[in-house]
Amino acid sequence: NAGVMQNPRHLVRRRGQEARLRCSPMKGHSHVYWYRQLPEEGLKFMVYLQKENIIDESGMPKERFSAEFPKEGPSILRIQQVVRGDSAAYFCASSPSPGQYFEQYFGPGTRLTVT
Amino acid sequence: GENVEQHPSTLSVQEGDSAVIKCTYSDSASNYFPWYKQELGKRPQLIIDIRSNVGEKKDQRIAVTLNKTAKHFSLHITETQPEDSAVYFCAARSYNYGQNFVFGPGTRLSVLP
Repeated sequence: NAGVMQNPRHLVRRRGQEARLRCSPMKGHSHVYWYRQLPEEGLKFMVYLQKENIIDESGMPKERFSAEFPKEGPSILRIQQVVRGDSAAYFCASSPSPGQYFEQYFGPGTRLTVT
Repeated sequence: GENVEQHPSTLSVQEGDSAVIKCTYSDSASNYFPWYKQELGKRPQLIIDIRSNVGEKKDQRIAVTLNKTAKHFSLHITETQPEDSAVYFCAARSYNYGQNFVFGPGTRLSVLP
């Protein structure tokens, strides 16, 4: 009964370092979404991926951020040369195979702190 | 693109009273509208959703209504309990635009005992 898994749950990085956030979708789910949530704010869409394919990255910053969802293994959100403004909770969500009305289920999130 | 507004931003009700949260969306092609509850420090959890071909859906104390013409949908919680206290987010998804979900800014609900 494994839900969406994310690791690490907490990540501390110094300015200029790289952050790698991992997301394993629910069993049977092939779609992954990444969101960023700043303290006391809402969920901001970043990117939507299927296996080996980026479907929509309209919410991704143009620089330093990238995401992938390989054929094998978890989806990874990578943030290069982190800055203090990257500190936030990053949630991924997964959903099953295509359909107009599919639900998405969230992981527990990774809380990134940039010092 | 899609834009989702949500009101009020904060809401306090007495235990046992009803709470109503309203959202509006801009993209007439949006066809799926979920509601999420997020407790402090936890993940958003889906509590109810509605599709564009349905006007109302109910699940025990929670109901959602959708007015496609006016492009707004609402969450209704009856007989509120202290454990209903959380931040609630509405969202809209347009299958024809970007295929992603756009979330409202959230409503912080406090149920006072």
